Amino acid sequence: GENVEQHPSTLSVQEGDSAVIKCTYSDSASNYFPWYKQELGKRPQLIIDIRSNVGEKKDQRIAVTLNKTAKHFSLHITETQPEDSAVYFCAASMYSGGGADGLTFGKGTHLIIQP
Amino acid sequence: DVKVTQSSRYLVKRTGEKVFLECVQDMDHENMFWYRQDPGLGLRLIYFSYDVKMKEKGDIPEGYSVSREKKERFSLILESASTNQTSMYLCASSPLSRSSGGGYTFGSGTRLTVV
Repeated sequence: GENVEQHPSTLSVQEGDSAVIKCTYSDSASNYFPWYKQELGKRPQLIIDIRSNVGEKKDQRIAVTLNKTAKHFSLHITETQPEDSAVYFCAASMYSGGGADGLTFGKGTHLIIQP
Repeated sequence: DVKVTQSSRYLVKRTGEKVFLECVQDMDHENMFWYRQDPGLGLRLIYFSYDVKMKEKGDIPEGYSVSREKKERFSLILESASTNQTSMYLCASSPLSRSSGGGYTFGSGTRLTVV
């Protein structure tokens, strides 16, 4: 089955700086890569996702890049703010166009924004 | 506007008890999932379902079973609770087609303690 590795486990950056979280996956058939943000005591929420036919996607201060050849994808957050402090999870799955496809998650990155 | 509801936020059960965790979604999603979340291990897939009465094993199904008698409800059953099943349990749902937009919608979680 799929295996997703996520690094670093903890990331501390100064407010206003950029943060980058990296993930690798093992199954070359995976074609859907979402990122979730989980604030303390709350449920994970989807913040951005990318499909394998796209190399990069941006949404305001967040962006995701995908390198299918190397089987890795990254989350980039620019101009970090205190409200970006949370645990971030990457995930991967193979979407076949029908039926359920369980996401395989990385172990998470605790992002700390220092004032 | 809670869309995925887990019946209990906190549960304490005794070793050997049969435990039912309930999840209800009101978004008419075909897919439903059960994950457990443990510190340092991320989210691990227990079972999922893509239709009423259909179920598929995830990565860690041992000691668990599921039931999906109605589209909106997906139950996780611990046949004989053990202390190593103490964890946060997260239910999620998603539409059948990724093209319809969005990833998982998670419930708020049930923190289960087995004593």
